[in-house]
Amino acid sequence: QVTLKESGPVLVKPTETLTLTCTVSGFSLSNARMGVSWIRQSPGKALEWLAHIFANDEKSSSTSLKSRLTISKDTSKSQVVLTMTNMDPVDTAAYYCARTKTTVAGAFDIWGQGTMVTVSS
Amino acid sequence: EIVLTQSPGTLSLSPGERATLSCRASQSVSSSYLAWYQQKPGQAPRLLIYGASSRATGIPDRFSGSGSGTDFTLTISRLEPEDFAVYYCQHYGSSPPAYTFGQGTRLEIK
Repeated sequence: QVTLKESGPVLVKPTETLTLTCTVSGFSLSNARMGVSWIRQSPGKALEWLAHIFANDEKSSSTSLKSRLTISKDTSKSQVVLTMTNMDPVDTAAYYCARTKTTVAGAFDIWGQGTMVTVSS
Repeated sequence: EIVLTQSPGTLSLSPGERATLSCRASQSVSSSYLAWYQQKPGQAPRLLIYGASSRATGIPDRFSGSGSGTDFTLTISRLEPEDFAVYYCQHYGSSPPAYTFGQGTRLEIK
């Protein structure tokens, strides 16, 4: 069974750095046909893609947030880590990790349950 | 950067009716990389359609996708009570790699 599970702080203060971990099971992060993205959703708002990492360690991130985001992976631990610097209350959102697979051509076939992050002093 | 615009913002229909949701891209995109998701309150999105018209595993055949170029459509042939949710379209662009979501269409019970 393929699963993804997000973990990280529930509450961060403005200007702090957020670190989120996505732990995957049922597939390998070294599988060339797969990749993992981070996506967020502010309360009542649309989905917003943040960053993606491919099996070959190629990375991509949202143009508007590129300067604040870092994505990395530890294949041995089956984990994908996202850091976002200089957090602001507008970054309050549910943060999801999701898998892509070449057989579904860039779509996100499996999602984690999401983790809610609140930015407040 | 591609922008996806979904319409209508809210669609009010009754169970048994047919739903037609639209997704328009700001420039022509490959239909191979156009997907649709369903999201219910408090849940993660679920993949319905990929490649513009291929149903994901386990998705009922009342869901269908079509379109090409800049105009794509998700059709639900006969609405079931569990279909009332928010629907998002999404595109994957490869140069450079980037993923874009539409703003969503809320399908509500009339």
